[in-house]
Amino acid sequence: ETGVTQSPTHLIKTRGQQVTLRCSSQSGHNTVSWYQQALGQGPQFIFQYYREEENGRGNFPPRFSGLQFPNYSSELNVNALELDDSALYLCASSPDPSGQPQHFGDGTRLSIL
Amino acid sequence: TQLLEQSPQFLSIQEGENLTVYCNSSSVFSSLQWYRQEPGEGPVLLVTVVTGGEVKKLKRLTFQFGDARKDSSLHITAAQPGDTGLYLCAGRQGAQKLVFGQGTRLTINP
Repeated sequence: ETGVTQSPTHLIKTRGQQVTLRCSSQSGHNTVSWYQQALGQGPQFIFQYYREEENGRGNFPPRFSGLQFPNYSSELNVNALELDDSALYLCASSPDPSGQPQHFGDGTRLSIL
Repeated sequence: TQLLEQSPQFLSIQEGENLTVYCNSSSVFSSLQWYRQEPGEGPVLLVTVVTGGEVKKLKRLTFQFGDARKDSSLHITAAQPGDTGLYLCAGRQGAQKLVFGQGTRLTINP
């Protein structure tokens, strides 16, 4: 039990649609990071939010965006969905931007048809 | 090109055997972490190594960070079926970014 919850657990969308994934961080953790994990691969860093502002970004296009709220919840938004966006999306919370320690949720499995 | 290469990618052994999983890179990391991930769950942190040459033990698991902080290994002694899972190494680049290897899928057969 990491104290990090994600919703929904599974989601099916079609190409071109938009999706919002949600994460509830562990209480007191003001930093959240999002990762994309394709089937058979390790997670890839999308971005990190600290105190409601983006604090670092991986190699993902601008159609991947996020929000972080004062109540330790956050969102990952993806516009213009593509088939390659099919993956497990993980959020991880930590008490500060150094990311130590990082607690992962169980992810949202997104399938694009 | 994978920044962190894990080997082997798949490993299936009998209960009681020993095994070693490797994580290699040409880049230097400020720290390196090992995670275990089970189906339908997120990765769970096993250990963080920070100092070159550092060795940490967690029951039957031994983790080592290379002297140059570019590589790491995970050794499991007397593997048990409960050790089955996806083992991921991850190196920290900068303050925010955690770079993961592609994982080693380990199966321990009773």
